[in-house]
Amino acid sequence: GQNIDQPTEMTATEGAIVQINCTYQTSGFNGLFWYQQHAGEAPTFLSYNVLDGLEEKGRFSSFLSRSKGYSYLLLKELQMKDSASYLCAVRDSNYQLIWGAGTKLIIKP
Amino acid sequence: SAVISQKPSRDICQRGTSLTIQCQVDSQVTMMFWYRQQPGQSLTLIATANQGSEATYESGFVIDKFPISRPNLTFSTLTVSNMSPEDSSIYLCSVDSLTSGRYSDEQFFGPGTRLTVL
Repeated sequence: GQNIDQPTEMTATEGAIVQINCTYQTSGFNGLFWYQQHAGEAPTFLSYNVLDGLEEKGRFSSFLSRSKGYSYLLLKELQMKDSASYLCAVRDSNYQLIWGAGTKLIIKP
Repeated sequence: SAVISQKPSRDICQRGTSLTIQCQVDSQVTMMFWYRQQPGQSLTLIATANQGSEATYESGFVIDKFPISRPNLTFSTLTVSNMSPEDSSIYLCSVDSLTSGRYSDEQFFGPGTRLTVL
């Protein structure tokens, strides 16, 4: 079956750095996505990786290793507004998006 | 990017009734997706709605329970039929930033419809 694993919840301190991991097992691979979802709101797009390596976008970076079925989202200089759920999703060989359960990130002052 | 609106934003319904959720996109899109997100859980795809053809349903979802309409390239509806408390969830409409038949690297979501069934 297809499976995406990410931690259920993480806690970090304002101003610090946090890394959210995602491992996947899917039938084929056509890209990996990270989305941010604040409570009661729709998910919003953060990043997309289709090749191995690091993609940097401001305070957020996303890394992919296709051979290991692994990705991480790195958030730097954490702000209180970064408190949200972070969803990892993979496009499989049928171009269908497979979603992880999300990681709830709690930022403490 | 695409701007998506949904109606209603929330509703409280009685068991056994039906609710139709509307999704409007500000640009023409080939494929529209309907998701369900139950409390504390991730997104589950209900069906893919293509204009001019029957919707494609995922395992565990059937047309009788979740009929979908797609009358044009900017609009779709999802009906939750004969509701039970287990249908209480957030229902999200989504589109790919799809151009010229190619998938691109982002999926846009509507604001969601929060449904509570008593």
